[in-house]
Amino acid sequence: SAVISQKPSRDICQRGTSLTIQCQVDSQVTMMFWYRQQPGQSLTLIATANQGSEATYESGFVIDKFPISRPNLTFSTLTVSNMSPEDSSIYLCSVVWENPNQPQHFGDGTRLSIL
Amino acid sequence: QKEVEQNSGPLSVPEGAIASLNCTYSDRVSQSFFWYRQYSGKSPELIMSIYSNGDKEDGRFTAQLNKASQYVSLLIRDSQPSDSATYLCAVKKGAQKLVFGQGTRLTINP
Repeated sequence: SAVISQKPSRDICQRGTSLTIQCQVDSQVTMMFWYRQQPGQSLTLIATANQGSEATYESGFVIDKFPISRPNLTFSTLTVSNMSPEDSSIYLCSVVWENPNQPQHFGDGTRLSIL
Repeated sequence: QKEVEQNSGPLSVPEGAIASLNCTYSDRVSQSFFWYRQYSGKSPELIMSIYSNGDKEDGRFTAQLNKASQYVSLLIRDSQPSDSATYLCAVKKGAQKLVFGQGTRLTINP
């Protein structure tokens, strides 16, 4: 089956710094998304990563804080900017493989801790 | 009212019994529903999708959908200790956005 790879798998960062998370898939996908899962909580959609154009952000999430790129059909990045302890979460990439009506599948996630 | 609601549990079921997980949703026009399993420290894994009223079976798993009652459930037959995980109900909103419930933590006791 197709593979969704996220890097890094985990990191510990200082407040005020930024971290870029990569999501790479081994075949072309129609849609890519970024989610956040705060400790003990469920998943919340941050944004839809659009190929070749600006991401579509959900309410409560802004581009200055979470810039997203998607230069092609197999790769996307999420940057968490000017981090604070409240940004400590798991960040997950998800994809829809071919038909937009198909379910989403998740990468392994990036576990981020901010000191 | 939350868009997708689940009982957070924990739900404890003896091995070999049927585990029943429930989910309600608020948007009456929703058409697509999913159950994901998430082991501790892991990412969510899709186990069932359902789009029509009624039951959908896949091995030991059965998803049930009742759109009139805005209710989705997941039954796990012959529960195994390896089924111990958090089960997330997700409802598709719009073209592709998924809204997740809080998840139900299930423990299967040997």
